[in-house]
Amino acid sequence: GAVVSQHPSWVICKSGTSVKIECRSLDFQATTMFWYRQFPKQSLMLMATSNEGSKATYEQGVEKDKFLINHASLTLSTLTVTSAHPEDSSFYICSATSSGGAGETQYFGPGTRLLVL
Amino acid sequence: QKEVEQNSGPLSVPEGAIASLNCTYSDRVSQSFFWYRQYSGKSPELIMSIYSNGDKEDGRFTAQLNKASQYVSLLIRDSQPSDSATYLCAVTLGGGGSYIPTFGRGTSLIVHP
Repeated sequence: GAVVSQHPSWVICKSGTSVKIECRSLDFQATTMFWYRQFPKQSLMLMATSNEGSKATYEQGVEKDKFLINHASLTLSTLTVTSAHPEDSSFYICSATSSGGAGETQYFGPGTRLLVL
Repeated sequence: QKEVEQNSGPLSVPEGAIASLNCTYSDRVSQSFFWYRQYSGKSPELIMSIYSNGDKEDGRFTAQLNKASQYVSLLIRDSQPSDSATYLCAVTLGGGGSYIPTFGRGTSLIVHP
């Protein structure tokens, strides 16, 4: 159980285009989803936290107008990188937690590699 | 500012040895603690969670939590080359507090044959 999928796993796009990444919890309802970015040989960086039906909470320094997050249902969250530039090339990973209680565990998706040319 | 500290390593151990990974955290009211393994180029995968003081064992892995000293550790017995990865420690407040995790930077483990 507790499987999280991401699509696509790889995307290459031209500078200036927008890219949408989907994150799905396959066998549980995810009240909260997290979006991370990881550059090579660096640690995970939390970008934003999203709760179903409400606006995402962005970490300091993350542009909300550039990284659009939609958590429309309990099993789906999307991250759209708008007007992507080469510096946005990175490994984007989502994670999801199930509802309530102490000790929520995050389950990570397999990640999406974005290369902006 | 919640902080989770890990030695970046690399920690190098011979095959069959015990690997000991340590993590300290700054927020005394933290309640939930997790260890993740991340292979190069892959996303993190959960190894263990621990919530109470003491030891928790799962196969070759043992998590140890000491809330008074604010540290959590992961022991890997009979280390195998396939255990070579980066190990991430994560801490949340939980229990009515924030479920947003704070991750350490990870410790790189190398198990050599």
